[in-house]
Amino acid sequence: DGGITQSPKYLFRKEGQNVTLSCEQNLNHDAMYWYRQDPGQGLRLIYYSQIVNDFQKGDIAEGYSVSREKKESFPLTVTSAQKNPTAFYLCASSITRERDTQYFGPGTRLTVL
Amino acid sequence: GESVGLHLPTLSVQEGDNSIINCAYSNSASDYFIWYKQESGKGPQFIIDIRSNMDKRQGQRVTVLLNKTVKHLSLQIAATQPGDSAVYFCAEKTAGTALIFGKGTTLSVSS
Repeated sequence: DGGITQSPKYLFRKEGQNVTLSCEQNLNHDAMYWYRQDPGQGLRLIYYSQIVNDFQKGDIAEGYSVSREKKESFPLTVTSAQKNPTAFYLCASSITRERDTQYFGPGTRLTVL
Repeated sequence: GESVGLHLPTLSVQEGDNSIINCAYSNSASDYFIWYKQESGKGPQFIIDIRSNMDKRQGQRVTVLLNKTVKHLSLQIAATQPGDSAVYFCAEKTAGTALIFGKGTTLSVSS
């Protein structure tokens, strides 16, 4: 069963704590992405990676960090520097960045208590 | 601001009717467009895409129309079913740039 998995589905954290969201894909896609979705809003790009060991900031990278040590994995860390982290986080992948169709995971809902 | 938008935030239809969801884009250089469906609490699901060298593309019960003259994109769903209830996003892409998403239209289907 191929696809993109994200874990956990729901995540709670206290203010001041860092938290890492997992994203794994077995589609053999080179490019991976992290988006943030707020109620009534479109998707906003946080970070993307076109290839292993390389990643680029998106529109709202402040307070977030990523790594891409393996092709299959693109974890996102929400740091304490992110002032309003409560949101729905979506991971996506595409064959390459220019092969444009992105396929999404099921999302992680992060709530800061 | 958004370069991709939708004319209506919500659309209500009766089961069996045809639905038309509209999207306007502002960048005439955009050459690739995608429609996604997002059910509550889930990730967006790819529905259909179209490149700028086409005007129309059909899938199973869905048709996407592209009018480059007025920079308009629409998604037509035939014989709408309750399972079609979701938020529908259009997205556009220009070569070398990131995919840009609109805010979405919520489709509600009543029996």
